[in-house]
Amino acid sequence: GAGVSQSPSNKVTEKGKDVELRCDPISGHTALYWYRQSLGQGLEFLIYFQGNSAPDKSGLPSDRFSAERTGGSVSTLTIQRTQQEDSAVYLCASSRRATGAISGANVLTFGAGSRLTVL
Amino acid sequence: GQQLNQSPQSMFIQEGEDVSMNCTSSSIFNTWLWYKQDPGEGPVLLIALYKAGELTSNGRLTAQFGITRKDSFLNISASIPSDVGIYFCAGLKGGGSQGNLIFGKGTKLSVKP
Repeated sequence: GAGVSQSPSNKVTEKGKDVELRCDPISGHTALYWYRQSLGQGLEFLIYFQGNSAPDKSGLPSDRFSAERTGGSVSTLTIQRTQQEDSAVYLCASSRRATGAISGANVLTFGAGSRLTVL
Repeated sequence: GQQLNQSPQSMFIQEGEDVSMNCTSSSIFNTWLWYKQDPGEGPVLLIALYKAGELTSNGRLTAQFGITRKDSFLNISASIPSDVGIYFCAGLKGGGSQGNLIFGKGTKLSVKP
């Protein structure tokens, strides 16, 4: 597609429920990233995928968080047993690849985010 | 984890004024990036800096890569209402992938029309 598409744009859930957030990257982009943006905070790295390589999961805050990327395209971020502190905007980004000069198609393009509110 | 200290946290300025914000770190970075995030949108890259001392402009925006490689600043000249948003700095160490980008907490810019 023309840009990075995320759904849902807003999600309100009850504490303890599981949620799934979806990201459709730009076609042809092999690298896909998930970030979390809490109120008044910067972007917190969660996980990134590069092609068929094993994902870098070093930013996932707990084992309640997981992500997968099927067929090298669409990615789903799953949060199990949500807690109130999980409330944030979850941003997805993609780039042609994860390494190399940050210019042109290699610039991270972000989606508009999925705003999660856990009651 | 590693931190980028971005200041100021927020600022209100009169339209037409110049704006300056900066980012510092105790670590050396090989690439500095500046992003802008409009309300309800994802961040968009404004300027990328690759060499110590580099000064790069993008319209009314000018950013510099500090000589020590531990800091960067962004200037906006003659601000206008559409400059409103959150500006983030981000740093990348040499050889790292973009998955290793470290972001500052942002500077929220509000302009009085």
